[in-house]
Amino acid sequence: DAGITQSPRHKVTETGTPVTLRCHQTENHRYMYWYRQDPGHGLRLIHYSYGVKDTDKGEVSDGYSVSRSKTEDFLLTLESATSSQTSVYFCAIRGPDSYEQYFGPGTRLTVT
Amino acid sequence: AQKVTQAQTEISVVEKEDVTLDCVYETRDTTYYLFWYKQPPSGELVFLIRRNSFDEQNEISGRYSWNFQKSTSSFNFTITASQVVDSAVYFCAFRSYNTDKLIFGTGTRLQVFP
Repeated sequence: DAGITQSPRHKVTETGTPVTLRCHQTENHRYMYWYRQDPGHGLRLIHYSYGVKDTDKGEVSDGYSVSRSKTEDFLLTLESATSSQTSVYFCAIRGPDSYEQYFGPGTRLTVT
Repeated sequence: AQKVTQAQTEISVVEKEDVTLDCVYETRDTTYYLFWYKQPPSGELVFLIRRNSFDEQNEISGRYSWNFQKSTSSFNFTITASQVVDSAVYFCAFRSYNTDKLIFGTGTRLQVFP
């Protein structure tokens, strides 16, 4: 158990509304990541963070923004949700001396 | 560009059969890392193994074994004497040494029937 929680776990929202997903970790890991999982695509990196206020784009960052004001929290925001952003979103962490990433339980987001 | 291919979309076996999940990767890097993750029906992603590119020694963990071959750019995963609890989607992933980005394959769904 890597001490990662995600909230909410499920959300249904309407097209055009803003949505923020939260990833919270309790073990002071420096590196945090947001992925989305879609059928036929596996997991794809959206954004990642290598420290407080240090973030970078991943493979599918368009339409998403992130913020990290505290080590323990990494927020993913959809400024104006679209149906193509219906997906399962996973947060992950990586310790400074490890190579593997450990994942949170996921958030299922449906945009109607 | 780096890429991970899991050509087997779905595999069905009967309990106690052996099954191999294939993973082929593409890269020009000489230093990189390979991973396998398991996603059971409950949905969480469970880390199984990491392999470094400079370590081609195969690994065995109980009924699980991994065969890493740089010559064919493959990192295959074998489950011996499969069990119903092995039913899951299995993902292979790649990371180059100079980036923090994991590249996943599209996954292989394994169904083990009693």
